[in-house]
Amino acid sequence: DSGVTQTPKHLITATGQRVTLRCSPRSGDLSVYWYQQSLDQGLQFLIQYYNGEERAKGNILERFSAQQFPDLHSELNLSSLELGDSALYFCASSVYGDYGYTFGSGTRLTVV
Amino acid sequence: EDKVVQSPLSLVVHEGDTVTLNCSYEVTNFRSLLWYKQEKKAPTFLFMLTSSGIEKKSGRLSSILDKKELFSILNITATQTGDSAVYLCAVEETNAGKSTFGDGTTLTVKP
Repeated sequence: DSGVTQTPKHLITATGQRVTLRCSPRSGDLSVYWYQQSLDQGLQFLIQYYNGEERAKGNILERFSAQQFPDLHSELNLSSLELGDSALYFCASSVYGDYGYTFGSGTRLTVV
Repeated sequence: EDKVVQSPLSLVVHEGDTVTLNCSYEVTNFRSLLWYKQEKKAPTFLFMLTSSGIEKKSGRLSSILDKKELFSILNITATQTGDSAVYLCAVEETNAGKSTFGDGTTLTVKP
């Protein structure tokens, strides 16, 4: 157990629907990062939050949004889902310093 | 556009061999380079490199960064079957948190 908790582990939904992925960072980590990993695109950075504020944005679609709450957990909202959004979505957290990022076990999203 | 290129894409070796994985990058505002090992699920952190020429070591794994030539290598000595995984290289920008990943090197270690 890495200490980063992601729920749900698996999600199957239909095109056009909206889903919410949840992430709880490791105790003490203020930063949360979201990534998408698909077979054809590899691992892609989506967005980072630090202590409730958005800090960095990557290749995140406008249909996707995220937020970090006062208790530091984060949610990634995916709307108007398309087949191409099927992927593994990872959350990671970090503490400042030479420690890299700790990843959660991911949410596998399948859009049918 | 930021780019991270890893080579080789895949590698098959036998237990006891030494391997070198390569990562070259083109990033506008470099902050750090990270190596991860990904087995079945989530990547696990191996090294973070920020300064040129300083080797980081952890057991049989070591890594070094060359900021002038814009590349890093990850060495694994005396490989074991448990080293079989995808090794990912990522470069983080000074816009903290924004990172670009390479496609990974798939290492297979045969008994």
